[in-house]
Amino acid sequence: AQSVTQLGSHVSVSEGALVLLRCNYSSSVPPYLFWYVQYPNQGLQLLLKYTTGATLVKGINGFEAEFKKSETSFHLTKPSAHMSDAAEYFCAVSSSGYSTLTFGKGTMLLVSP
Amino acid sequence: NAGVTQTPKFRILKIGQSMTLQCTQDMNHNYMYWYRQDPGMGLKLIYYSVGAGITDKGEVPNGYNVSRSTTEDFPLRLELAAPSQTSVYFCASSWGQDGSYEQYFGPGTRLTVT
Repeated sequence: AQSVTQLGSHVSVSEGALVLLRCNYSSSVPPYLFWYVQYPNQGLQLLLKYTTGATLVKGINGFEAEFKKSETSFHLTKPSAHMSDAAEYFCAVSSSGYSTLTFGKGTMLLVSP
Repeated sequence: NAGVTQTPKFRILKIGQSMTLQCTQDMNHNYMYWYRQDPGMGLKLIYYSVGAGITDKGEVPNGYNVSRSTTEDFPLRLELAAPSQTSVYFCASSWGQDGSYEQYFGPGTRLTVT
């Protein structure tokens, strides 16, 4: 069975500050890891994903995440928050042989001026 | 290329009524999914399909039915609507059977059952 834990249902940062959203996963096989973003009243869109290879993954809008197998983590970061980053962020896990995703409960990012 | 489209955007149902949520994708994806999203709970998989004529249950299938007669369409049927089915429903699609493929999401249907 696979599972995802996102620490913190809400994270607040000031514009220009570092963004750090935490994600830990559980998987009995090598995982594929995803971060999706959901803007208000919209569907989800992919920010970035890790499948194999380089453990530091760069995504859209300046976000990146690092796969750390020893810590079973895939935390999302952005050096400098922008007002437009305010949204809900979901971490998800899958693996080879699985066609379905398991999502975390989401973290709402609030950005203040 | 419209991607994944869903209709309707909003719907209010009375308890016991039934309805079909429509989902269409124009990317020729074999895999399609239905999720429900409840506040603070993330997305839960209701049903998915690996191709026309093949469907399988997800984590929360009770109270729902699906069919997949074409590659493009994957409707979700609610029979005997209950207040517990008040939620936002998302349809998604992806290329392949391996979990490394990105899922593409529709804009969602907001359903209220009263």
